[in-house]
Amino acid sequence: DTGVSQDPRHKITKRGQNVTFRCDPISEHNRLYWYRQTLGQGPEFLTYFQNEAQLEKSRLLSDRFSAERPKGSFSTLEIQRTEQGDSAMYLCASSSTVASANNSPLHFGNGTRLTVT
Amino acid sequence: AQKITQTQPGMFVQEKEAVTLDCTYDTSDPSYGLFWYKQPSSGEMIFLIYQGSYDQQNATEGRYSLNFQKARKSANLVISASQLGDSAMYFCAMRGPQGGNNRLAFGKGNQVVVIP
Repeated sequence: DTGVSQDPRHKITKRGQNVTFRCDPISEHNRLYWYRQTLGQGPEFLTYFQNEAQLEKSRLLSDRFSAERPKGSFSTLEIQRTEQGDSAMYLCASSSTVASANNSPLHFGNGTRLTVT
Repeated sequence: AQKITQTQPGMFVQEKEAVTLDCTYDTSDPSYGLFWYKQPSSGEMIFLIYQGSYDQQNATEGRYSLNFQKARKSANLVISASQLGDSAMYFCAMRGPQGGNNRLAFGKGNQVVVIP
C-alpha cells in the first residue's frame, strides 16, 4: 500500500485555462475527500465521495469546479477558467468505511500546488 | 456550526523539551471526534492522534498525548521530548454530526520550530 497519491505535484497555469488534478486513494478506502489549503490556513473542505457518489459539496466549490469519481476508485478535480484566487494547495484524502465512525482518520496525499499567473 | 480555534503564535522549542499546542472547539453535538495532524514543510498531512468525545482517558500515541478537557472544550496536544523532525505546522480538527459526519473541520494551525 503506497498511500494516497496525487498528480501532478505542482501545476502552473495562466488565468483562464482549465486544469485537472488526479487522486488515487488507498485501495481499500471507499471514502474520498478534496480539500483546499491556502497559505497560513488550515485545509478547507471542498467535496466528498462515497464510492462513486458525490455526497457533499461545500459552498466553496463554485460552478467552475467539478469533481468526479467514475468507478469509485481514483478521482479527478477540474477547475475551469482558472482565476488567481484559485492558487492554493489541493489536498486529497481517503478513509475507510465504518458507518458513522467518528474515529476514522483521513489519510492525505502530498497535494497538488496550483499557481495561477 | 463547528469551529476550531488555534491562536498561538509560532513557537520555538528547545530540543528534548516538551511543548503544548492549544486547541479549543465549539460544537453543540454530544458525539464528536478530535484529531491532530502534522504538516511538515514538504506539505503532506500526517495523522498523529485521535480523541473521542466519550473517551474517558486522554489519548496517547508514543510521544504525543492529548490533554482533553471536555467541559472547557479544549483538546491540547502535548509533544514530549521534542526532536528536530517535529518542526512543522500542527492542525487540530474535528468531526461530528453537526459539521457533516464524514468530513473534518480544521483550525488554522500552530507553527512549531525545534531548535538544537
